[in-house]
Amino acid sequence: DARVTQTPRHKVTEMGQEVTMRCQPILGHNTVFWYRQTMMQGLELLAYFRNRAPLDDSGMPKDRFSAEMPDATLATLKIQPSEPRDSAVYFCASGLVLGQKINQPQHFGDGTRLSIL
Amino acid sequence: GQSLEQPSEVTAVEGAIVQINCTYQTSGFYGLSWYQQHDGGAPTFLSYNGLDGLEETGRFSSFLSRSDSYGYLLLQELQMKDSASYFCAVRLHTGRRALTFGSGTRLQVQP
Repeated sequence: DARVTQTPRHKVTEMGQEVTMRCQPILGHNTVFWYRQTMMQGLELLAYFRNRAPLDDSGMPKDRFSAEMPDATLATLKIQPSEPRDSAVYFCASGLVLGQKINQPQHFGDGTRLSIL
Repeated sequence: GQSLEQPSEVTAVEGAIVQINCTYQTSGFYGLSWYQQHDGGAPTFLSYNGLDGLEETGRFSSFLSRSDSYGYLLLQELQMKDSASYFCAVRLHTGRRALTFGSGTRLQVQP
C-alpha cells in the first residue's frame, strides 16, 4: 500500500533551535497538507499545497514557520527558532483533490512528535 | 457563524451500537467526512457524505441531513479495536478550500 512518509518520527530539541520536518506524499497525489495536533487545540491545519503551489498558510505563525515543496516528492515544514509551545505532533497528509472536491480522502503520515525543551 | 461540534466522549460495550453526532454551521456546504484515530496513530479516512442519507461501509455507517446541518457516524457490533477518537470534518471557510476537523469524540469500548 502506498503511504505518506514523514521524518523524523520523533524530535527532541532545545528552544531556539531550527527544526525541519519532511514529508513524502503518495505518488500521484496533487495536494499536501500540514497539520499540528495538540490536546488543547486538536487537529489544526497549518498549510497546504496544490500541485506544489502554496494555496493557504493562514494557519501558520509566519514569523517562525515556513512550508515549502521543492519537488513533487518532498514537502518540508520548518520552525526557526523553535519554542516550547511548538511541542506537538505534526502530521502531513496528501490527497488527490480535483476542483472543489476537497472531501477526497486525505492520507496521513505517522506524524513527527516534536518536543521543544 | 461557523462551527463544528461533536461530543467529547462516548462509552459503549462490546457488541453494541453507538452513534457519534456532529453538528456544523458553515456558509457553503461541501460535504461531511469522518476520520478515525487510534491513540498514538494517524487519522485515517472512514467515510464521506456529500448528499443526504446513509452511507454504509461494513460495520460503519455515516448519515447526513443538510437541512438540519447534522450528521452522525454509526458503529455497529462494536469491537474493542474500535476504541479510538473519531473526527468529523467539513469545509468551514468558503475562502479556504480545506477541511476543518472537529475536536474529536473519544470512544471507549468496554468488555
